[in-house]
Amino acid sequence: GENVEQHPSTLSVQEGDSAVIKCTYSDSASNYFPWYKQELGKRPQLIIDIRSNVGEKKDQRIAVTLNKTAKHFSLHITETQPEDSAVYFCAASKEVGGADGLTFGKGTHLIIQP
Amino acid sequence: EAGVTQSPTHLIKTRGQQVTLRCSPISGHTSVYWYQQALGLGLQFLLWYDEGEERNRGNFPPRFSGRQFPNYSSELNVNALELEDSALYLCASSLVPGGGTEAFFGQGTRLTVV
Repeated sequence: GENVEQHPSTLSVQEGDSAVIKCTYSDSASNYFPWYKQELGKRPQLIIDIRSNVGEKKDQRIAVTLNKTAKHFSLHITETQPEDSAVYFCAASKEVGGADGLTFGKGTHLIIQP
Repeated sequence: EAGVTQSPTHLIKTRGQQVTLRCSPISGHTSVYWYQQALGLGLQFLLWYDEGEERNRGNFPPRFSGRQFPNYSSELNVNALELEDSALYLCASSLVPGGGTEAFFGQGTRLTVV
């Protein structure tokens, strides 16, 4: 089955700086890559996703890049703000009809220092 | 529209006991996923149900089981509880089965085994 590695496990950045979280996946058939944000005591929520026919996607301060050849994808957050502090999870899956659902990385605890 | 709901929110059980957790998906969603979130271990995939059938299970022992009802709600049962079963159990639902689309999470059930 799919295996997703995520790093770093903890990332501390100064407010206003950029943060980058990286993930690798093992199954070349995976073609859907979402990112979830989990604030303390809350449920994980989707913040952005990318499909394999796209190399990059942006949504305001958040962007995701995908390199299918290398089987890795990254989350980029620019101009970080205190409310960005949370645990971020990457995930990978096949498209409709896949047997494995979403496979998640172990998460990155992002800390925004004032 | 109501989101994914789980019950109970918290419970404490003694080692060796059995527990049943419940999940109601978003209306119209047929797929339900169960995840275990233990401290430092990210989101571990437990079970996936779709249209009343178990479609896939993660690397967990048989004492973790469940079912999905005709209204698509789901139960997770854990027998012979062990201390290491203490975790947040998250249920998620999706409109499209198997992956490739957003999974919406419930608020989770915090299980403590003593």
